Amino acid sequence: AQTVTQSQPEMSVQEAETVTLSCTYDTSESDYYLFWYKQPPSRQMILVIRQEAYKQQNATENRFSVNFQKAAKSFSLKISDSQLGDAAMYFCAYRRSEKLVFGKGTKLTVNP
Amino acid sequence: DTAVSQTPKYLVTQMGNDKSIKCEQNLGHDTMYWYKQDSKKFLKIMFSYNNKELIINETVPNRFSPKSPDKAHLNLHINSLELGDSAVYFCASSQTGEETQYFGPGTRLLVL
Repeated sequence: AQTVTQSQPEMSVQEAETVTLSCTYDTSESDYYLFWYKQPPSRQMILVIRQEAYKQQNATENRFSVNFQKAAKSFSLKISDSQLGDAAMYFCAYRRSEKLVFGKGTKLTVNP
Repeated sequence: DTAVSQTPKYLVTQMGNDKSIKCEQNLGHDTMYWYKQDSKKFLKIMFSYNNKELIINETVPNRFSPKSPDKAHLNLHINSLELGDSAVYFCASSQTGEETQYFGPGTRLLVL
């Protein structure tokens, strides 16, 4: 069974600084997709970034980038120039066979 | 122009009642999902439908019955509600061949 582990229940960062959220996963598959979703207090699940496992290049979306290490089964999210609006729960997710398997989330606090 | 919408957003009810949550997507997707987020924020898949056909049913009590009248709608009916059903229920959709799932705003269910 696929499992996703987020080892940091909570993280904090100063505004304008950089923070990295960790995620590891367990799978025997070679072809899969990984995602980071953001859930602010409004509770909406917002896609932040996605990574196809067959692509070696790390995905980037503006201030958000990932460090995808396929052999190590690691998929960390880096947020640069953190903003107050980045404060939220962040969920790492693995997709295979139509369903998403989520980690338990990391609560990110951004300090002004 | 809401992509995935759910009604109601909040639902407070008594134990033993029957309730329904509705989901609609206007993205033209062919696959829809129900996820449950518990009090610890853990998200888990419940059901998935592709073109009105059930494709995932993840160890959910029989009191939960999804219904998909067409591929743009996926409703969730819950019979004999229990305290443990209190959670946030998310609907999501995706298109076959495109791995990203888009989430609705969630429905917070509170069973008293």
